[in-house]
Amino acid sequence: RKEVEQDPGPFNVPEGATVAFNCTYSNSASQSFFWYRQDCRKEPKLLMSVYSSGNEDGRFTAQLNRASQYISLLIRDSKLSDSATYLCVVNGANQAGTALIFGKGTTLSVSS
Amino acid sequence: EPEVTQTPSHQVTQMGQEVILRCVPISNHLYFYWYRQILGQKVEFLVSFYNNEISEKSEIFDDQFSVERPDGSNFTLKIRSTKLEDSAMYFCASSSEGAFYNEQFFGPGTRLTVL
Repeated sequence: RKEVEQDPGPFNVPEGATVAFNCTYSNSASQSFFWYRQDCRKEPKLLMSVYSSGNEDGRFTAQLNRASQYISLLIRDSKLSDSATYLCVVNGANQAGTALIFGKGTTLSVSS
Repeated sequence: EPEVTQTPSHQVTQMGQEVILRCVPISNHLYFYWYRQILGQKVEFLVSFYNNEISEKSEIFDDQFSVERPDGSNFTLKIRSTKLEDSAMYFCASSSEGAFYNEQFFGPGTRLTVL
């Protein structure tokens, strides 16, 4: 059973579109949740942490449903620069709780 | 903005050789990590390190791997005898907190190619 599952996409959308990504995780003991962004052959960059109450950062909104073990990311008014792979990441919740467990990522391509 | 740095950006080595990958974490961070990403696959946790000892390691991090903080700034990953399947991008990361709510910041990576 995969620990973090994401729809790999690709999602191809026009500029200005709203797009939503979903993610499920298997370990109910996971304590913290993140969305990272990864450009081709680059390092993962933290986009935002995800809280149970939901949180918003500009055009980006993240939601967490602990009961369903489900995380989402909504991007409004997509820009060309949003084209990247979006990684759903959860804290490993084992041993020292330091390991981040990554999904394979969802690829977004925004076109003009 | 402070950032994690890594050297070299690309390392090519022969199978069976030892390699050392170097990282300089963000200066006020105390927790350090190595991850790897095989081309086309997901990012995988290798090891976390705090207070000069390993906090946690994955199944990938076997006896061929070791980590060290040789001085106040560098954090290294050594692979003793490289195998073809060690070819990957290796990312170093650091965080100010150690567990759970630990936002980890990644370096640009070292691409390791084993021939």
